[in-house]
Amino acid sequence: AQRVTQPEKLLSVFKGAPVELKCNYSYSGSPELFWYVQYSRQRLQLLLRHISRESIKGFTADLNKGETSFHLKKPFAQEEDSAMYYCALTGDDYQKVTFGTGTKLQVIP
Amino acid sequence: GAGVSQTPSNKVTEKGKYVELRCDPISGHTALYWYRQSLGQGPEFLIYFQGTGAADDSGLPNDRFFAVRPEGSVSTLKIQRTERGDSAVYLCASSWGGANTQYFGPGTRLTVL
Repeated sequence: AQRVTQPEKLLSVFKGAPVELKCNYSYSGSPELFWYVQYSRQRLQLLLRHISRESIKGFTADLNKGETSFHLKKPFAQEEDSAMYYCALTGDDYQKVTFGTGTKLQVIP
Repeated sequence: GAGVSQTPSNKVTEKGKYVELRCDPISGHTALYWYRQSLGQGPEFLIYFQGTGAADDSGLPNDRFFAVRPEGSVSTLKIQRTERGDSAVYLCASSWGGANTQYFGPGTRLTVL
């Protein structure tokens, strides 16, 4: 079975402060990990995926297989980063995406 | 071009009724997915189509739920004998193929009274 855990329902940070959204996963094989974002009144969209090794909107995430983690980080939070963030995983059955419960990021001006 | 669209945006029904939710994927996308998102939860996989066939329906919670995609484009999620526990946002997504980025629709909010 595959599982994604996001321990924080809400994370509040001040503008300019570093951000780390935590994600841990459980999967016996080699997963592919993603971060999805949903801004207010917008639809869910892909932010980044670990195989791309990209930095999107200043966010990065490194897959740590030893700790089974895929935390999302940004060195300096911006107000426009306020949104709901979901960590997600696909396994061998790569079409089937398992999402975490989400973390609401609130950036305080 | 147009993104994934879903209709209706909101649906209120009574317990025991039948509902149909529609998804129009991005033109040319061969893969189509349905998810259910309950309050405070992340999206939960229901079913995946590759073309016209359901490649994986393991997420459908019971036999009251059924989905079709007869021409490999538009899909309809059908729920029989609705229950209050079916109340959720139903999301549709499409992609070029199974391993590609999924593009989500705005969702249909279903409320069963």
